[in-house]
Amino acid sequence: AQSVAQPEDQVNVAEGNPLTVKCTYSVSGNPYLFWYVQYPNRGLQFLLKYITGDNLVKGSYGFEAEFNKSQTSFHLKKPSALVSDSALYFCAVRTPNYGGATNKLIFGTGTLLAVQP
Amino acid sequence: SQTIHQWPATLVQPVGSPLSLECTVEGTSNPNLYWYRQAAGRGLQLLFYSVGIGQISSEVPQNLSASRPQDRQFILSSKKLLLSDSGFYLCAWRGDRDHGYTFGSGTRLTVV
Repeated sequence: AQSVAQPEDQVNVAEGNPLTVKCTYSVSGNPYLFWYVQYPNRGLQFLLKYITGDNLVKGSYGFEAEFNKSQTSFHLKKPSALVSDSALYFCAVRTPNYGGATNKLIFGTGTLLAVQP
Repeated sequence: SQTIHQWPATLVQPVGSPLSLECTVEGTSNPNLYWYRQAAGRGLQLLFYSVGIGQISSEVPQNLSASRPQDRQFILSSKKLLLSDSGFYLCAWRGDRDHGYTFGSGTRLTVV
């Protein structure tokens, strides 16, 4: 079964420092991977995705993520954190669409990013 | 452009009362639609998805039901709410593969 793991409940980083939010996945076949951000009492906003191609993908607000097939990871990164980046971040994998099954997004449990000024 | 609307934004309901949350999508046709619940401000649980009018798939057994009376309308319902139904409910639709899902702004349901 497809799954996503976010091993850190919370990540603390000082403003201006680089940040990494970890994600590992388990999926049969080629993965479609996504990162979303959620601000308090709001819906999720798309940040970036990996479908195929370059392992380093760039997304919104200066975020990027590196797809590592051998380590089955898709860590979210940003070179210099901002206080406004503080939010809840979700990694997600889309289940394959074959055999008549409808693809679905399976989410990790989320990682709370706290950026201190 | 495609947009998704979800209402109400907040709702406080007594235990045993009925529930109806509505989600509508504009700017697309025959979308795949999804209801998620986020409990305790963290994990997202897929509740229902629909690939077309009248087609509903349930992911987990529970006190809730879903319906899709029109192509771009997705409704989450309950006949009798439980305390455990409290949470943040999110509707989503699937666009092209490049963006995964687009989410509504959510409904905060508190059952008292």
